[in-house]
Amino acid sequence: AQKITQTQPGMFVQEKEAVTLDCTYDTSDQSYGLFWYKQPSSGEMIFLIYQGSYDEQNATEGRYSLNFQKARKSANLVISASQLGDSAMYFCAMRPPHGGGSEKLVFGKGTKLTVNP
Amino acid sequence: KAGVTQTPRYLIKTRGQQVTLSCSPISGHRSVSWYQQTPGQGLQFLFEYFSETQRNKGNFPGRFSGRQFSNSRSEMNVSTLELGDSALYLCASSLAAGFHEQFFGPGTRLTVL
Repeated sequence: AQKITQTQPGMFVQEKEAVTLDCTYDTSDQSYGLFWYKQPSSGEMIFLIYQGSYDEQNATEGRYSLNFQKARKSANLVISASQLGDSAMYFCAMRPPHGGGSEKLVFGKGTKLTVNP
Repeated sequence: KAGVTQTPRYLIKTRGQQVTLSCSPISGHRSVSWYQQTPGQGLQFLFEYFSETQRNKGNFPGRFSGRQFSNSRSEMNVSTLELGDSALYLCASSLAAGFHEQFFGPGTRLTVL
């Protein structure tokens, strides 16, 4: 069974600084997808970034980058130049292999990020 | 392009009642998944549909059911509501299996009194 672990219930960062949110995963599958979502207080889940297990390069999307270390089974999210609007819950999630016939996501418990001015 | 829409956004019911939640995926998306989010259990997968067929179901009692229509819109139904069903119910859509982006709607916040 797949499992996602986010060990940081809460994180604080100063505006304009970088922050790393930790995510480790457990799976016996060789092929899988890893996601990060942002959930503001409004409740909507906002897709941030995706990393495929066979992708050789770390994914980047603007100020977001994913530090993917396959051997350590970690997929940490790095947010550069934090902004006040980055304050939200952040969820790491995993999806089973392509072709498995399922889009089911397994989520971690989340990390609450607070950006201080 | 319109995003995923969910109706209603807020709902208050009493124990024993039933409720139906609706989700309209992004135009062209054929896969719809539902998740329940509670403070205690976090985000839990309910079920997913593709081309009107349920492909996968999470570990929830039979009181939770769903369906998908030919236009890809999906509904989920919860019968005989319990206090523990109070949650944010999120719907996500994607083009099809194998496409890596799932887009979520704003959710329906259900309160059971």
